[in-house]
Amino acid sequence: AQSVTQLDSHVSVSEGTPVLLRCNYSSSYSPSLFWYVQHPNKGLQLLLKYTSAATLVKGINGFEAEFKKSETSFHLTKPSAHMSDAAEYFCVVSDMSSGNTGKLIFGQGTTLQVKP
Amino acid sequence: EPEVTQTPSHQVTQMGQEVILRCVPISNHLYFYWYRQILGQKVEFLVSFYNNEISEKSEIFDDQFSVERPDGSNFTLKIRSTKLEDSAMYFCASRGGAFPGELFFGEGSRLTVL
Repeated sequence: AQSVTQLDSHVSVSEGTPVLLRCNYSSSYSPSLFWYVQHPNKGLQLLLKYTSAATLVKGINGFEAEFKKSETSFHLTKPSAHMSDAAEYFCVVSDMSSGNTGKLIFGQGTTLQVKP
Repeated sequence: EPEVTQTPSHQVTQMGQEVILRCVPISNHLYFYWYRQILGQKVEFLVSFYNNEISEKSEIFDDQFSVERPDGSNFTLKIRSTKLEDSAMYFCASRGGAFPGELFFGEGSRLTVL
């Protein structure tokens, strides 16, 4: 079965400093991985996705993530945090065991706080 | 840019009442989903729907829940007799034909059961 574990429930950074949100995955298959962001009172927006092409994936708003099979990790990074990055971030894996339903399995989420 | 729209954004209901949450998926998408997020908890899969039938459902999706695509554009989630523990944010999502592919989510419907 597929699963993802987000290693930090809460991350706090200062504006202009790097962001690192950690995610480990477990999968019996070659995984498809995503990061979604949820701003307060908003829906879930796709930041980026990995689907077995380049291991370094670039997303919107300056975020990127690197797929590391040896470490079963898919950490999300950004060189310089902006106040508008404050949100909940979800690491997500596509459930390949359920045929073609394509359902996604969410991690617990990491709340990113950005201090001025 | 096409988007998934959900109504209502917030609904308050009494325990035992029926609730219908509505969603309009992206028009050329083929796969539809409902997820829920209880306050402070993770986003949980409820059900997936393809070709006018349920393709998968979770343990949460018991007989109190049903889904329907009544007219080719709307996708609804019905809760027949709401319980306090049904209070949550409910997200609708849709996906095109590519597999695996990202899901496009609506902004959610917050359900409060009193």
